[in-house]
Amino acid sequence: KQEVTQIPAALSVPEGENLVLNCSFTDSAIYNLQWFRQDPGKGLTSLLLIQSSQREQTSGRLNASLDKSSGRSTLYIAASQPGDSATYLCAVRPSDYKLSFGAGTTVTVRA
Amino acid sequence: DVKVTQSSRYLVKRTGEKVFLECVQDMDHENMFWYRQDPGLGLRLIYFSYDVKMKEKGDIPEGYSVSREKKERFSLILESASTNQTSMYLCASSSPWANQPQHFGDGTRLSIL
Repeated sequence: KQEVTQIPAALSVPEGENLVLNCSFTDSAIYNLQWFRQDPGKGLTSLLLIQSSQREQTSGRLNASLDKSSGRSTLYIAASQPGDSATYLCAVRPSDYKLSFGAGTTVTVRA
Repeated sequence: DVKVTQSSRYLVKRTGEKVFLECVQDMDHENMFWYRQDPGLGLRLIYFSYDVKMKEKGDIPEGYSVSREKKERFSLILESASTNQTSMYLCASSSPWANQPQHFGDGTRLSIL
């Protein structure tokens, strides 16, 4: 069974610092890996999707890398802002339709 | 933009009631999903559907059923609500292709009293 781990569980940084969020998974047979953002009491917003054949994806200040062989992905958020405060979840999709989620990293960016 | 709409943001029901949670998507997606999210347990898949009238059990289907009569609508049914079903319920949809993400609704915060 696929297990997804996110470390750290929580992170607090001053505004302007770069954020590095880690995700690891146990089974490298995946179709894709997705990063989501969740604000308190809300649903999930898709940030980036990396297909298994890709090494990274970028969107604005966000960059996600994937090393499938070692079962790791990293989400980088450059020049963090208070509006980046949220919980970030990663999820991997194995061969069927379902996603396996990590528990998330809760980020606080201090002004 | 993909829009996944859940019928209620907050819902309060009593134990033993039959509860319906509705979800509608506007992108003609084949796949639809129901999750629940609880502190310390993360997101857990209840049911998913890959086509009209087709459904498969997820990780925690007990106490729930689903209905998908039309492609755009996926309903979650709590046959006889219990207090341990108090949770945040999230609906999602996606196309079947590996390069397409799952899109989520805003969630329904359900309280069973």
